[in-house]
Amino acid sequence: EVQLVQSGAEVKKPGESLKISCKGSGYSFSNYWIGWVRQMPGKGLEWMGVIYPGDSDTRYSPSLQGQVTISADKSISTAYLQWSSLRASDTAMYYCARGGAPLVVLSSPNWFDHWGQGTLVTVSS
Amino acid sequence: DIVMTQSPDSLAVSLGERATINCKSSRSVLASSNNKNFLAWYQQKPGQPPKLLIHWASTRESGVPDRFSGSGSGTDFTLTISSLQAEDVAVYYCQQYYSSSTFGQGTRLEIK
Repeated sequence: EVQLVQSGAEVKKPGESLKISCKGSGYSFSNYWIGWVRQMPGKGLEWMGVIYPGDSDTRYSPSLQGQVTISADKSISTAYLQWSSLRASDTAMYYCARGGAPLVVLSSPNWFDHWGQGTLVTVSS
Repeated sequence: DIVMTQSPDSLAVSLGERATINCKSSRSVLASSNNKNFLAWYQQKPGQPPKLLIHWASTRESGVPDRFSGSGSGTDFTLTISSLQAEDVAVYYCQQYYSSSTFGQGTRLEIK
């Protein structure tokens, strides 16, 4: 069974750094894109970016490039989303999700077929 | 960026009736390389992560009831629920994955 388990909720102050995680199991972690989706309170879904753990190829949303860093450690089947300096506007639920098609089927980022439970990040002074 | 625009923003439909949600992309998401539309649909219920319903614009995921169907090509797409059930109350999103990826703003579906 494919599972994505995310790290727990975080409460941070503006200017602090943060790294949240997403551990995959039940499939070959290296062979599927894994991405991050932001959902601000009461708002819709926002695609942030994806990483292919097999070779660390990373793609970002143009609107978010430079604001976050996506990484992965395939040896422990875990993807990460990190901030160097949080802002109040980063307050949101963050979901990780697996790309539905393996690289051998579709080489580009694609739909998300399995999702983590979400990590709530609250940034407040 | 490809901008995805859904309509309507919210929709109220009677139980057993048809629900139709539209999604329009700012440019075509039909790939000439494989003649497929790079579009997916998701359902999100309160307090839950999104659930994939359809990819390639019309390919239903395993386990998704057949009352859900996707259609369209190029820039105009539709998600249809043929006979609305109470458990279908949710927010629905389209997503393009033709160029990077973007979601539509969502459509809230309620019971009339």
